[in-house]
Amino acid sequence: DARVTQTPRDKVTEMGQEVTMRCQPILGHNTVFWYRQTMMQGLELLAYFRNRAPLDDSGMPKDRFSAEMPDATLATLKIQPSEPRDSAVYFCASGVTPSGRAQDTQYFGPGTRLTVL
Amino acid sequence: ILNVEQSPQSLHVQEGDSTNFTCSFPSSNFYALHWYRWETAKSPEALFVMTLNGDEKKKGRISATLNTKEGYSYLYIKGSQPEDSATYLCALTMDSNYQLIWGAGTKLIIKP
Repeated sequence: DARVTQTPRDKVTEMGQEVTMRCQPILGHNTVFWYRQTMMQGLELLAYFRNRAPLDDSGMPKDRFSAEMPDATLATLKIQPSEPRDSAVYFCASGVTPSGRAQDTQYFGPGTRLTVL
Repeated sequence: ILNVEQSPQSLHVQEGDSTNFTCSFPSSNFYALHWYRWETAKSPEALFVMTLNGDEKKKGRISATLNTKEGYSYLYIKGSQPEDSATYLCALTMDSNYQLIWGAGTKLIIKP
């Protein structure tokens, strides 16, 4: 049963510290998304990649957030320095678009719960 | 600004009753409409994706319809059960760049 995995599941850190969240997409999937769950906005898209290339990261605060895909099996989201307002659940999702079909489903990981004190 | 609206925001339904809720979206440049179920403390799970006007999809007691001309989709749950309690999200794709535009969800609570 293929699944998206995310690590860590929970992270508590102090303001100013660097936080790195990792995501392993489902093998063979070529699109990866990073979302943040907020009380006000529900699912907020931070960034997404297709074939490891970043397509849109306009939802991400550029001064402190960065997203990368070092290889096809790993996506990372980094916050440096972290702030209390970054506390949220961060979801990774992956999908496959062999022909660029927008109707393909996104499969979500279990999320990383981040608490910045 | 593209807006996907879901109503109602929350809904309490007696166990055994049937219910439905709505997703509204801009009808121009429509490409696909997705429904997801999001249980508390879990991650969203895909229910349906629909692309054609008039599409109807069904999975067990849950079904969905799509009207792309007037810009809405309905999700129906027949004979609600406690395990149906969740937030139901719809998401829209308007072109082929694969980005989903998410609604805020309808939170469904089934009362035993």
